[in-house]
Amino acid sequence: SQQGEEDPQALSIQEGENATMNCSYKTSINNLQWYRQNSGRGLVHLILIRSNEREKHSGRLRVTLDTSKKSSSLLITASRAADTASYFCATGLSGNTPLVFGKGTRLSVIA
Amino acid sequence: GAGVSQSPSNKVTEKGKDVELRCDPISGHTALYWYRQRLGQGLEFLIYFQGNSAPDKSGLPSDRFSAERTGESVSTLTIQRTQQEDSAVYLCASSPQGYYNEQFFGPGTRLTVL
Repeated sequence: SQQGEEDPQALSIQEGENATMNCSYKTSINNLQWYRQNSGRGLVHLILIRSNEREKHSGRLRVTLDTSKKSSSLLITASRAADTASYFCATGLSGNTPLVFGKGTRLSVIA
Repeated sequence: GAGVSQSPSNKVTEKGKDVELRCDPISGHTALYWYRQRLGQGLEFLIYFQGNSAPDKSGLPSDRFSAERTGESVSTLTIQRTQQEDSAVYLCASSPQGYYNEQFFGPGTRLTVL
């Protein structure tokens, strides 16, 4: 299985601090994606990084990918209370094959 | 444009009853996925439709679970003879044809089996 595993399982930080979440996976991938989930309902796509990319930015998000270590990290800078959510990494092969999701990191940002 | 929609939002049923969950994907998206998420857990893949190809049913946990899709539109997930362990949020996602499979999720259906 290429299942992603996030760590930590839970993270609590103060507003304004940076939050870093890590993801490890087991097999070769085409891409890795990060999603956010509020209140246990629908997931929202945050960012996709391709297997030939090492770093990608989107607003306050920074994602790195190390295919030699089969790991990725998601950094949220200058966190806000509204960033409180669960964050999942998901690995994908080419085409529309199903993603394989990790168990997620629960982030709490305290105002 | 409109996103992925799912109905009902919540469903409470008694053990042994059948339930149908509906998903309306984004128009034009060829791929449609069903996932299950138990409380506090990650997403568990159930079934995947891609265009007119035979669906990938490898994630269905038992023969009580089945799903259909009409062309490239609506999909229905049916659970027969529901059990308490079927209680979860059922999430549907769709994805456009392409090399990278970013998925767009619906809000989910929360199923509670009493």
